[in-house]
Amino acid sequence: QVQLQESGPRLVKPSETLSLTCTVSGGSISSDYWSWVRQPPGKGLEWLGYIYSSGITNYSPSLRSRVTISEDTSKNQFSLKLNSVTAADTAVYYCARVLISGSPPWPSYFDYWGQGALVTVSS
Amino acid sequence: QSALTQPASVSGSPGQSITISCTGTTTDVGSYNLVSWYQQHPGKAPKVLIYDDTKRPSGISYRFSGSKSGNTASLTISGLQAEDEADYYCCSYAGSATWVFGGGTSLTVL
Repeated sequence: QVQLQESGPRLVKPSETLSLTCTVSGGSISSDYWSWVRQPPGKGLEWLGYIYSSGITNYSPSLRSRVTISEDTSKNQFSLKLNSVTAADTAVYYCARVLISGSPPWPSYFDYWGQGALVTVSS
Repeated sequence: QSALTQPASVSGSPGQSITISCTGTTTDVGSYNLVSWYQQHPGKAPKVLIYDDTKRPSGISYRFSGSKSGNTASLTISGLQAEDEADYYCCSYAGSATWVFGGGTSLTVL
C-alpha cells in the first residue's frame, strides 16, 4: 500500500516561495511518476507538474515560470517550490502518484494521493 | 490549456441514475483514451473511479461507469446511494506530458 504525506510551512508571505515535501512509503519515487495537484478553497483541482525517472520534470504551462519539482531519492521524497506567491496561490496542495496503464504503457491517472496540505498566502 | 467543462451541479433520487458530462477539445479528451474520473468528499483527497475512459480500478463499484464520444466524456452513476453525494472531477491527458482537470460537479442525492 502506497502512502504519501505532505509536509512544510502552512503560512507563506506574499512574494515569497512556497515549499512542500511529499514523503512516500510503500513505493519508490525512482520508478514511478509523481505529481502535485492543488485545490483553492471551494474550487476545482489544478495539475501543477510531475517528476519521474531520476529527475525528469514537466509543469503546467500556466505555472511553468514559477514552479519547480525536485526529488531526494535517499529519503524517498519529492518536493514542490512555487515562487513569487500571491493570495491566489492559497490552496490545498496534494501530492499524488501517476499510474502507468494501457498499451502502449502511458502515465494515465492519479491512483494514490496524500491527505493534502492547506497553504495560506498572507502577510 | 483550459479546464475541461463540467456542469456545476447535478442531482438525483436514491436508486436513480445520473450522468455527468466532461467536454474538452481535440487536443485533450478527443485525442487520447486517457480520461479519468475522481470522487471527492468534503475535506478528503480525491479517489479515482474510472481511468482510460472506461476502466474501473479494483474495488470500485460497478455502479460507476465511463464512456466517451468525440470530445465529451461521461460518468454514469447507477442506483444512486446517499454516500454518492460528493464532488466529481474529470481529468484528461492533454499532450506534451501535461494533464487538465474539469471544473468539478457537485452531486446532490435528494
